[in-house]
Amino acid sequence: QKEVEQDPGPLSVPEGAIVSLNCTYSNSAFQYFMWYRQYSRKGPELLMYTYSSGNKEDGRFTAQVDKSSKYISLFIRDSQPSDSATYLCAMIQIYNQGGKLIFGQGTELSVKP
Amino acid sequence: DTGVSQDPRHKITKRGQNVTFRCDPISEHNRLYWYRQTLGQGPEFLTYFQNEAQLEKSRLLSDRFSAERPKGSFSTLEIQRTEQGDSAMYLCASKGTSGADTQYFGPGTRLTVL
Repeated sequence: QKEVEQDPGPLSVPEGAIVSLNCTYSNSAFQYFMWYRQYSRKGPELLMYTYSSGNKEDGRFTAQVDKSSKYISLFIRDSQPSDSATYLCAMIQIYNQGGKLIFGQGTELSVKP
Repeated sequence: DTGVSQDPRHKITKRGQNVTFRCDPISEHNRLYWYRQTLGQGPEFLTYFQNEAQLEKSRLLSDRFSAERPKGSFSTLEIQRTEQGDSAMYLCASKGTSGADTQYFGPGTRLTVL
């Protein structure tokens, strides 16, 4: 079983839709949670970064963490064609682990005009 | 440009050849990470450096792989006797000293082994 599970999609939505992307994890030692966006043949770009359980909002993006359920989500409101990319969740276990990122498989999102 | 840079961006090689990739991190970042990403998968950790010291290597890093960061600035990743299974995107990331700092990725080097 992988430490981080993410539905690979692909996910296709119409422009303006609300998108929900999710990851589950098994290691309760994960302390920091990130969402990266990766356009085709590019490096991942940090979108959101959270530490505690709860919600964090940044423009059209909301990251949600539920440590008790080991579940994180990313919501995209008013989705745009430029949001079409692969979204990767990633987690860090800080102590004794060097801060290496453990990634989910990535969800491929396509927003149709 | 103050981001992470990688060179080359693309590399095509024949099986059995050696290849070397370079990563230049953000200048004030003391930690540097290498990851490998295959098609349809998330990046997987390979190794990381704190300054010039290589502190951890994944079991994914076989004996054919070696990484260096001789002066604590840029890093190189060498693959000897390449195999077709080495075809992937090799990503470099850097971060600062605080445990809460995030990692910033370079554009990656796409390796194709024929």
